Amino acid sequence: GENVEQHPSTLSVQEGDSAVIKCTYSDSASNYFPWYKQELGKGPQLIIDIRSNVGEKKDQRIAVTLNKTAKHFSLHITETQPEDSAVYFCAASEGNNRLAFGKGNQVVVIP
Amino acid sequence: EAGVAQSPRYKIIEKRQSVAFWCNPISGHATLYWYQQILGQGPKLLIQFQNNGVVDDSQLPKDRFSAERLKGVDSTLKIQPAKLEDSAVYLCASSQRQGQTEAFFGQGTRLTVV
Repeated sequence: GENVEQHPSTLSVQEGDSAVIKCTYSDSASNYFPWYKQELGKGPQLIIDIRSNVGEKKDQRIAVTLNKTAKHFSLHITETQPEDSAVYFCAASEGNNRLAFGKGNQVVVIP
Repeated sequence: EAGVAQSPRYKIIEKRQSVAFWCNPISGHATLYWYQQILGQGPKLLIQFQNNGVVDDSQLPKDRFSAERLKGVDSTLKIQPAKLEDSAVYLCASSQRQGQTEAFFGQGTRLTVV
């Protein structure tokens, strides 16, 4: 099945700087890649997603890039704010539409 | 629009006891998922329903876990008997249709087995 890995596991950034989280996947048939944000005590919330026919997608301070050849996709957060502190999960859809999640990245924005 | 509702929020049971979780998806969402999230890991799919039919339960430990979605709306997930390693957050999610569309998660039920 699909194997999704995230790097780094923890990321600390100064408020206002950019944060980048990278995910790699194993199944070349995967064609849907969402990113979820999970705050303490809450369920994951979809923040952005990308499909395999697109290389980049942006929504305000958040962007996702996809490199199908290298089988990796990245989440970019610009002008980070304290409320961006959370755990971020990437996922990839397998051939049977099941989402495989990575282990998550803890992002800490230092005021 | 109301979100995915789950109950209870927290549950503590002793090993070998049974427990049930309830989920009410977003109105009109045909697809419902149950995920298990162990501390420090990403969610792992246990079972996926399309209306009231099971689409994928390949990762559900069927000797102790069961789930149903009667009438294609609410769903319950049961564990009987529970083991220590079942301690986790159980997340319910729903989406309008099966596959690659936005899935909305509930807040989850945190289960502690002692």
